[in-house]
Amino acid sequence: QQPVQSPQAVILREGEDAVINCSSSKALYSVHWYRQKHGEAPVFLMILLKGGEQKGHEKISASFNEKKQQSSLYLTASQLSYSGTYFCGINWPGGSEKLVFGKGTKLTVNP
Amino acid sequence: EAGVTQSPTHLIKTRGQQATLRCSPISGHTSVYWYQQALGLGLQFLLWYDEGEERNRGNFPPRFSGRQFPNYSSELNVNALELEDSALYLCASSLYYQGRGNQPQHFGDGTRLSIL
Repeated sequence: QQPVQSPQAVILREGEDAVINCSSSKALYSVHWYRQKHGEAPVFLMILLKGGEQKGHEKISASFNEKKQQSSLYLTASQLSYSGTYFCGINWPGGSEKLVFGKGTKLTVNP
Repeated sequence: EAGVTQSPTHLIKTRGQQATLRCSPISGHTSVYWYQQALGLGLQFLLWYDEGEERNRGNFPPRFSGRQFPNYSSELNVNALELEDSALYLCASSLYYQGRGNQPQHFGDGTRLSIL
């Protein structure tokens, strides 16, 4: 039931774009996105809810495809500060507030 | 506004001992979540408390337990420690509005538990 994130790792140059995908084997209720830098706590980026409501971070966007049971996180014109490991956490209808996280995508942005 | 605070920062124990980890949520947050982050395994859900009650539990043995106090702070207890319990234990808090969708979870810096 753990969501599958892809890619596992990506290396960018500053200013390039990246897409991180999060796929579920079950119908989704919501998807949460977090970024964790090495040695730090995960930081909330965005929530996407079934039905299309979106909350989140001003410089990073995301989509939620209910039919494909998938969410994608879009990082455009990446900055050095975007480096870190990105996790998606999902829950299902009737699944309560419990989040199941993917294994993460490690993003490295180089100058 | 103070964030989620966890103590201690590091904890070193030996096999068979018991460990107690503590978490203070953001003021106004009633829900507290515990996660285990072992190397290469991502965030594994342990427990969720709200209003003093255990609301959900992850796939961990019963020697992982906890409680939430009237001031919404929480502690995680791990009994009969095993080597594979070595990990970073993260606490998160959130608001909780039943039936109104999920709320962001705000994480503390974690407790690094090492079992020798």
